[in-house]
Amino acid sequence: QITLKESGPPLVRPTQTLTLTCTFSGFSLSTNGVGVGWVRQPPGKALEWLALIYWDDDQRYSPSLRRRLTITKDTSKSQVVLTVTDMDPVDTATYFCAHGSRHFDWSFDYWGQGTLVTVSS
Amino acid sequence: DIQMTQSPSSLSASVGDRVTITCRASQSINSDLNWYQQKPGKAPNLLIYAASSLQSGVPSRFSGSGSGTDFTLTISSLQPEDFATYYCQQSFSTWTFGHGTKVEIK
Repeated sequence: QITLKESGPPLVRPTQTLTLTCTFSGFSLSTNGVGVGWVRQPPGKALEWLALIYWDDDQRYSPSLRRRLTITKDTSKSQVVLTVTDMDPVDTATYFCAHGSRHFDWSFDYWGQGTLVTVSS
Repeated sequence: DIQMTQSPSSLSASVGDRVTITCRASQSINSDLNWYQQKPGKAPNLLIYAASSLQSGVPSRFSGSGSGTDFTLTISSLQPEDFATYYCQQSFSTWTFGHGTKVEIK
């Protein structure tokens, strides 16, 4: 059974760096054809894909946010970490991590519950 | 970047209605199109992947079609639990979501 859970601070100040951790179980991120991605959703708005890391450590980023994002993995801990620099109130959102696989055409078939991050001074 | 345009942005329908939601990509994405359902306060749930493949456990009243740039999600007979927001997502070149279609009770 695949599960994912996001963790991180509920409140960050403008200009600070946000660090989010996705802790997962039920799969290994060293398995060929597997990835973990991050998606966010501002209150009342649409989903926005942010980043994804593949089993082979290749990374993909949203072009509009690329300069502010870094995604890494710790396979031994079953964790994926996303950092977002220079946070702004417009970055207030629920941040989700999700499992993706080549087998399902790189859709996101398992999701964490999400963690709400508010950016405010 | 590939842009995804969903329509309509919202619709009102009754239980038992046939509902169709469309999604258009700004360039060809072959069949790399996925559909999700999201209910308030919950994570999205994968319904359809690769344009027309039904995810395990998803009721057969949901179906997807299309290829290239134009795609459709159909709910053959709307049920009370189907009132939610639906998103398309392309996975052809990185990932992009549509802006969502909210299905409300008429």
